[in-house]
Amino acid sequence: DIQMTQSPSSLSASVGDRVTITCRASQSISRNLSWYQQKPGKAPKLLIYAASSLQRGIPSRFSGSGSGTDFTLTISSLQPEDFATYYCQQSDSTPWTFGQGTKVEIK
Amino acid sequence: QVQLQESGPGLVKPSQTLSLTCTVSGGSIGSGSYSWIWIRQPAGKGLEWIGRIYNSGTTNYNPSLKSRVTISVDTSKNQFSLELTSVTAADTAVYYCARAAPGGYSVWYFDYWGQGTLVTVSS
Repeated sequence: DIQMTQSPSSLSASVGDRVTITCRASQSISRNLSWYQQKPGKAPKLLIYAASSLQRGIPSRFSGSGSGTDFTLTISSLQPEDFATYYCQQSDSTPWTFGQGTKVEIK
Repeated sequence: QVQLQESGPGLVKPSQTLSLTCTVSGGSIGSGSYSWIWIRQPAGKGLEWIGRIYNSGTTNYNPSLKSRVTISVDTSKNQFSLELTSVTAADTAVYYCARAAPGGYSVWYFDYWGQGTLVTVSS
């Protein structure tokens, strides 16, 4: 199985901050990576697919980059509704796997 | 707008079979190149992909669960289902159904999700 490791596991930030979350794959996955946002009691929501493609309806303050084994999700200016847990997910090979999550909390 | 809704018992006894159904509305499960997936999430923990099925009936399962899992599809009812046998407390989780869309080459992303259903394994 391909292991996905996110860092940090949690972070505290203020509204307006620039936030960066990193995801590392245990082997090269090309650009076969997606990012999801999950709020408590809700299903995950797709933000980014193919490493850097923004899903329809997602604000442009969210962006993704990377290829191979190292990927980044950036929130350019954190908004109150962005406090949530974020997951990366690889689809390069089954079993599809997720990172352990990064919880973004209010500072 | 595609919508998915999970249904099934919220309580299952140990050693019994967990059975859930996902009903898809706003689109035909039999059309397109999509696959239909199950994911679970124990309380306070991360996401685990259980498996997927195409409208052709072709399946892929997580090896960690493969001996206990069956996913099936009923295109006439626009539904797909999950069966997990010989459950234990470790199978207690919120179970989600979702649609996996192809984005080219090996890109698959989960663009529509059900709200999730909590299944507790307890006697």
